[in-house]
Amino acid sequence: EVQLVESGGGLVQPGGSLRLSCAASGFTFSSYEMNWVRQAPGKGLEWVSYISSSGSTIYYADSVKGRFTISRDNAKNSLYLQMNSLRAEDTAVYYCARTYGSGIEDAFDIWGQGTMVTVSS
Amino acid sequence: SSELTQDPAVSVALGQTVRITCQGDSLRSYYASWYQQKPGQAPVLVIYGKNNRPSGIPDRFSGSSSGNTASLTITGAQAEDEADYYCNSRDSSGNPYVFGTGTKVTVL
Repeated sequence: EVQLVESGGGLVQPGGSLRLSCAASGFTFSSYEMNWVRQAPGKGLEWVSYISSSGSTIYYADSVKGRFTISRDNAKNSLYLQMNSLRAEDTAVYYCARTYGSGIEDAFDIWGQGTMVTVSS
Repeated sequence: SSELTQDPAVSVALGQTVRITCQGDSLRSYYASWYQQKPGQAPVLVIYGKNNRPSGIPDRFSGSSSGNTASLTITGAQAEDEADYYCNSRDSSGNPYVFGTGTKVTVL
C-alpha cells in the first residue's frame, strides 16, 4: 500500500524548534518530488515547501523562508521539515504530500494523515 | 506569489449538479488540480490535469478550464460529496505551488 506517515508534531514555545518526519512506503520514494503543506485550525491549505527527487532543488513559501528547512533521505525513504524560530502563526496540521506528474498538470496525489504542531507559551 | 480565488460556499440539492470555480492568473499557464477534504481528514485528489480522475474517484467529478478560470463539476451530487474543496496549481510568479481559498459544498 502506498503510504505517507508523518510524525514529530507537538507543543512548542514561541521561538522554539521542531523536526517533522514523513515516512514513505509502497512506492519508489527516490523517484518522486515531495512537499509539505499545512493547515491552520479552521483555515485553508497552504503550500509550505518543495524538494525535488534528488534533493537538489528546494523551494519555500515566503512565510517560512529562512526559518524552515526541508530535506530528504532517499536511503531511508524519509522526508523531513526542520522548523526553527517558531511563531504562533505556524500552528497547524502539517501534511507531507507526493507530487505526481510533471509540467503543467502535476498534482499532490498521496497525502499523509498529518501531524499537529502547536506553538504556544 | 499568485492567488487562486474560490467562492467560500455553495449548496446543491441531492442529485443535482454543482460547479465550483477557481480564478487566478496562473491558470492561464497551468492546469488546476482539485482536492476534497472532509472534517478531520487529509485532502484527497479528485481531479488533475485537463480532466483526469485518480483511481477510485467517481465519474460524477469532472474538471474544465477556460482562460484564468478552472472549474470542478459534480454531476448528480451525493450526500458523501459534502466537503471542502480546494484548487491548486503551479504558481507563475515564483513559488512552485499555490492553493485556492477553498469552497465548502453543502448537499441539501
